[in-house]
Amino acid sequence: KQEVTQIPAALSVPEGENLVLNCSFTDSAIYNLQWFRQDPGKGLTSLLLIQSSQREQTSGRLNASLDKSSGRSTLYIAASQPGDSATYLCAVGLHGHNNDMRFGAGTRLTVKP
Amino acid sequence: NAGVTQTPKFQVLKTGQSMTLQCAQDMNHEYMSWYRQDPGMGLRLIHYSVGAGITDQGEVPNGYNVSRSTTEDFPLRLLSAAPSQTSVYFCASLSSGQGADTQYFGPGTRLTVL
Repeated sequence: KQEVTQIPAALSVPEGENLVLNCSFTDSAIYNLQWFRQDPGKGLTSLLLIQSSQREQTSGRLNASLDKSSGRSTLYIAASQPGDSATYLCAVGLHGHNNDMRFGAGTRLTVKP
Repeated sequence: NAGVTQTPKFQVLKTGQSMTLQCAQDMNHEYMSWYRQDPGMGLRLIHYSVGAGITDQGEVPNGYNVSRSTTEDFPLRLLSAAPSQTSVYFCASLSSGQGADTQYFGPGTRLTVL
């Protein structure tokens, strides 16, 4: 059974710091991996999607990497801003289509001005 | 373009009552899913559909029914609500499921069962 773990559960950093969020999964036979952002009381917004054949994806200040063999992914946020404060969720796509996904519990990030 | 919409935003039920959570998308996506989110547990897949007339069970399907009569709508029915179904419910859709498409999520329905 695929299990997804995110460490740490919560993180507080001062504005301007670079930071890394971690995601690990137990079964390397994934279809893809996505990182989402969730603001309080809101739905999820997709940040980056890495297909199983890819090693990383970048969007602006965000960079996500994928190492299937070790069952790990990281989300790197450069020059953090207070507006980055949110919960970040990692999810792996199973089987042949990625609407069967397993989510981690998330990392709650607070960026202090 | 409204994306994925869900109604209601909030609902309180008594144990044993039934209700339907509505989900609609206007992006002509084939794939739709229902998740529940509980504190400290991330999102768990309840049911999903790969097209009109086709549904399948996810990780936690017990106590829920779904149907998909149109591409746009994917309602979730609670047959006899239980306190264990208190949660936030999210509906999601994506276009082709070919691995390169992201999921779009609705804003969620917060359900409390007393």
